[in-house]
Amino acid sequence: DGGITQSPKYLFRKEGQNVTLSCEQNLNHDAMYWYRQDPGQGLRLIYYSQIVNDFQKGDIAEGYSVSREKKESFPLTVTSAQKNPTAFYLCASTWTDNTEAFFGQGTRLTVV
Amino acid sequence: GQNIDQPTEMTATEGAIVQINCTYQTSGFNGLFWYQQHAGEAPTFLSYNVLDGLEEKGRFSSFLSRSKGYSYLLLKELQMKDSASYLCAVRDMDDYKLSFGAGTTVTVRA
Repeated sequence: DGGITQSPKYLFRKEGQNVTLSCEQNLNHDAMYWYRQDPGQGLRLIYYSQIVNDFQKGDIAEGYSVSREKKESFPLTVTSAQKNPTAFYLCASTWTDNTEAFFGQGTRLTVV
Repeated sequence: GQNIDQPTEMTATEGAIVQINCTYQTSGFNGLFWYQQHAGEAPTFLSYNVLDGLEEKGRFSSFLSRSKGYSYLLLKELQMKDSASYLCAVRDMDDYKLSFGAGTTVTVRA
């Protein structure tokens, strides 16, 4: 089945540790996106990538890093520099023509 | 950049109609999307507009006016399961940046 997969669904980390969230898609989509969502809030764009080996900062990139070494993969690293990392993280992908963005099921990160 | 505004909350009665407005400002427009999101879940796609006019999909319709930077999502024959957050998103023409508004929480009452 084609789709976009995020893992893990729940993640706990100690303060000060880096953590990497996985996002994989087998839809052959060109563009991929990472969003952060806090309780009762909308989606805020962290990073996005149109093509392999290229990505751009979104609106809240500080404290995060990404890579796009393969078309199907767009991992997000939450670094210790991110002041308040506890949130719901959503990954999305789409073709670069005019189609909808498909979302993964999200990773709920809790930093203790 | 993109600036997207939508109301925070709306309440309506089961069986009624609700219209959620979205206004946006963008340097290069390449499509407007509406998503539904239930609490704790990922957003699901509802509609897409890139040309002016009305797109109808069953009980849901979406309208776009590019010259006014304005869209609305119309939900008809409201059901209790329609209680959710509705997100307006705009895609940029140049780099495919996809930005979301803060979302409108719709509560359907019996």
